[in-house]
Amino acid sequence: ELKVEQNPLFLSMQEGKNYTIYCNYSTTSDRLYWYRQDPGKSLESLFVLLSNGAVKQEGRLMASLDTKARLSTLHITAAVHDLSATYFCAVVAEYGNKLVFGAGTILRVKS
Amino acid sequence: NAGVTQTPKFRVLKTGQSMTLLCAQDMNHEYMYWYRQDPGMGLRLIHYSVGEGTTAKGEVPDGYNVSRLKKQNFLLGLESAAPSQTSVYFCASSYPRPPPGELFFGEGSRLTVL
Repeated sequence: ELKVEQNPLFLSMQEGKNYTIYCNYSTTSDRLYWYRQDPGKSLESLFVLLSNGAVKQEGRLMASLDTKARLSTLHITAAVHDLSATYFCAVVAEYGNKLVFGAGTILRVKS
Repeated sequence: NAGVTQTPKFRVLKTGQSMTLLCAQDMNHEYMYWYRQDPGMGLRLIHYSVGEGTTAKGEVPDGYNVSRLKKQNFLLGLESAAPSQTSVYFCASSYPRPPPGELFFGEGSRLTVL
């Protein structure tokens, strides 16, 4: 059974600092998604990583995928307050019919 | 461009009552999903459907039933609500390629069971 673990689960950081969120998963998968959720809102797709070594960047966020290590990272560069949200990774499971989500990382960027 | 629409958005039930959550999508997606979100637990899959007339169990299906009679609609039913079913429910849909494609989520339905 596929398990997806994120860490840290809570991250409080100062504006301008860099940090990385980690997403580990337990069984083979070659596709991983990152989503953002603002409080009380729905989930918004950030990145789709489709192969080993894939790297995607959007503004201050960069995501990468290492399928051999079963690890994805979401790197935050020079954080700003607007990045405060909950970030989820999700991994394809069971013959590709569904996504299994991590518990989410609550990010708070302080001024 | 409505996307994925969930109704109702809020509901309060008493233990033992029944209700149905409706999810409608206008993107002609094959795949549809129902997730529940609880603090610290991420999203957990309740049931899903890979096409009209088909449904399958997810991680936490007990106490819920679903139906996909029309391609654009996916209904989630609670026959006898329990306090443990207090949660925020999200519906999502996607294309099947690559399977599954990017998920598009509804706004969520907040259910409280007293």
